[in-house]
Amino acid sequence: NAGVTQTPKFRVLKTGQSMTLLCAQDMNHEYMYWYRQDPGMGLRLIHYSVGEGTTAKGEVPDGYNVSRLKKQNFLLGLESAAPSQTSVYFCASRTKPWGPTSYGYTFGSGTRLTVV
Amino acid sequence: AQSVTQLDSHVSVSEGTPVLLRCNYSSSYSPSLFWYVQHPNKGLQLLLKYTSAATLVKGINGFEAEFKKSETSFHLTKPSAHMSDAAEYFCVVSGWMDSSYKLIFGSGTRLLVRP
Repeated sequence: NAGVTQTPKFRVLKTGQSMTLLCAQDMNHEYMYWYRQDPGMGLRLIHYSVGEGTTAKGEVPDGYNVSRLKKQNFLLGLESAAPSQTSVYFCASRTKPWGPTSYGYTFGSGTRLTVV
Repeated sequence: AQSVTQLDSHVSVSEGTPVLLRCNYSSSYSPSLFWYVQHPNKGLQLLLKYTSAATLVKGINGFEAEFKKSETSFHLTKPSAHMSDAAEYFCVVSGWMDSSYKLIFGSGTRLLVRP
């Protein structure tokens, strides 16, 4: 089925370890996003990309890096994990918007990360 | 700037009774508004969207929402709750931030359905 696939689904890290979360979409979407979800705070945007080779900071970018080397993939990296990065991470993608009435975000099923 | 406030963190209803989940928004122009649902350990699913067409929007699974500009509200309703409706619901507004179009999420409302 077409959609957004996130790997891994679960991970436990020790403080200071590094890891990369992978998001892959097969819908030829231009835009891709990484969000984190914490209790009582909804989803907050970490980084996003408006096309292959481009990335930009979102609301809470500190401690994360991203790369978009291929259009279908958007990687989220944690260089030195901290307990504050314990969260559920969601990737989303969408077609290039043509204005404020656009919609059509597709979300992945999430990655549950625990940093101990 | 755009923002969204969900007025209740938890709502509890009995099966078969109406559901009301409240959402107020702030936007400097006519917004696009969405409701997403998240079942436990699942991703987010779009319930419905408002994009400046009809003010009463019908979504999936019997949900609907009414856009009221004068009240800056976009409340989600359903006439009769089902056990399968138990989930977390997010009101979302879209807007331009830093020269890009983004979603801005409310903090969520957890719906509990009692048998």
